[in-house]
Amino acid sequence: AQSVAQPEDQVNVAEGNPLTVKCTYSVSGNPYLFWYVQYPNRGLQFLLKYITGDNLVKGSYGFEAEFNKSQTSFHLKKPSALVSDSALYFCAVSKSGGYQKVTFGTGTKLQVIP
Amino acid sequence: DAGVTQSPTHLIKTRGQQVTLRCSPKSGHDTVSWYQQALGQGPQFIFQYYEEEERQRGNFPDRFSGHQFPNYSSELNVNALLLGDSALYLCASSLTVPPGLQFFGPGTRLTVL
Repeated sequence: AQSVAQPEDQVNVAEGNPLTVKCTYSVSGNPYLFWYVQYPNRGLQFLLKYITGDNLVKGSYGFEAEFNKSQTSFHLKKPSALVSDSALYFCAVSKSGGYQKVTFGTGTKLQVIP
Repeated sequence: DAGVTQSPTHLIKTRGQQVTLRCSPKSGHDTVSWYQQALGQGPQFIFQYYEEEERQRGNFPDRFSGHQFPNYSSELNVNALLLGDSALYLCASSLTVPPGLQFFGPGTRLTVL
């Protein structure tokens, strides 16, 4: 069975500082990996995905993530945090190829402090 | 493009009742997936529909059923509601090819009393 672990329930970072939200995954075969963000009382918004190719993936709003196969990780990063980045972040994984179900982590609340 | 739309926004039901939630996918998308998101949790995959057929299902009982129409819109039906069914129900649409990227609707908040 596939799974995603987001070890931190909450991450606090000062505005302007770099941020990292951690994610590790478990899936048989090659993974598809995703990051989504959820604002209060809203659906999920896509940030970025890794399908194949370059291990460093750049996404929306200045976010990026690095796929590390040996560590089975896909950490989300941003060089300089904004207060408006404060939200709930979800990492997700599916098996590669064809139609596969997507498994989400439990989410990490990011709080950017002014 | 209106994106993914869901109705209703909120719903209150009592135990034992039945509920139907509706989803219209993003224009051009042929695949619809449904998720249940309990408070403080990540979305849990319920099932996925493509060409009017269920092609993937998560660990949910048969009380949860769905349908996809020829215009790709979809319904989620839940019978014999339990208190534990209270959650935000999210619909996501995508293309089969290329795989993976899903666009989510705002969700339907179901409260079971």
